[in-house]
Amino acid sequence: DAKTTQPTSMDCAEGRAANLPCNHSTISGNEYVYWYRQIHSQGPQYIIHGLKNNETNEMASLIITEDRKSSTLILPHATLRDTAVYYCIGFYSGNTGKLIFGQGTTLQVKP
Amino acid sequence: KAGVTQTPRYLIKTRGQQVTLSCSPISGHRSVSWYQQTPGQGLQFLFEYFSETQRNKGNFPGRFSGRQFSNSRSEMNVSTLELGDSALYLCASRRAGDTGELFFGEGSRLTVL
Repeated sequence: DAKTTQPTSMDCAEGRAANLPCNHSTISGNEYVYWYRQIHSQGPQYIIHGLKNNETNEMASLIITEDRKSSTLILPHATLRDTAVYYCIGFYSGNTGKLIFGQGTTLQVKP
Repeated sequence: KAGVTQTPRYLIKTRGQQVTLSCSPISGHRSVSWYQQTPGQGLQFLFEYFSETQRNKGNFPGRFSGRQFSNSRSEMNVSTLELGDSALYLCASRRAGDTGELFFGEGSRLTVL
């Protein structure tokens, strides 16, 4: 399982893009990069995932470096409701549902 | 459609008692997994069930057990409760297939006194 490293906390101004980095230098070729977030006292929420290519959905964009050793989650226009803990996870489909959560990044969006 | 439903949302037990938590997955989801979240250890994987069979298990003592029924609903049980079992217990379901896209419930917050 890939070990991921994320900054403990980050601040972002409301309306600005939030760029959350993740280092996963030990990720293997068949492991996807998944991002989840957890708003206080709620269950984690899936955001986005990718393998090699950059991905975008209605919530965020995921930029994965060519060597796959790191990635960045981008929230294009952060709102106060995006304040949460964001988890970057390396996931191998053969792990049958086992997600290994690290400590994540606490993103504080400020007005 | 309805999300993952966990009951009860809150409960208080005393040391030595046992507790059973319930999880109803999203309709059509056959995989259910359980996680424990504590301030000290964060989110940790307990086990996963698929078609009534346990497919994977985390590093927890045998006091933690689970099962899944034919309608995919799942229960987890913790026997001989300890103070350290106080935690938020989260259930997640997903569609068939080995995808990492899990849908989590709101959790059951257990306090052991």
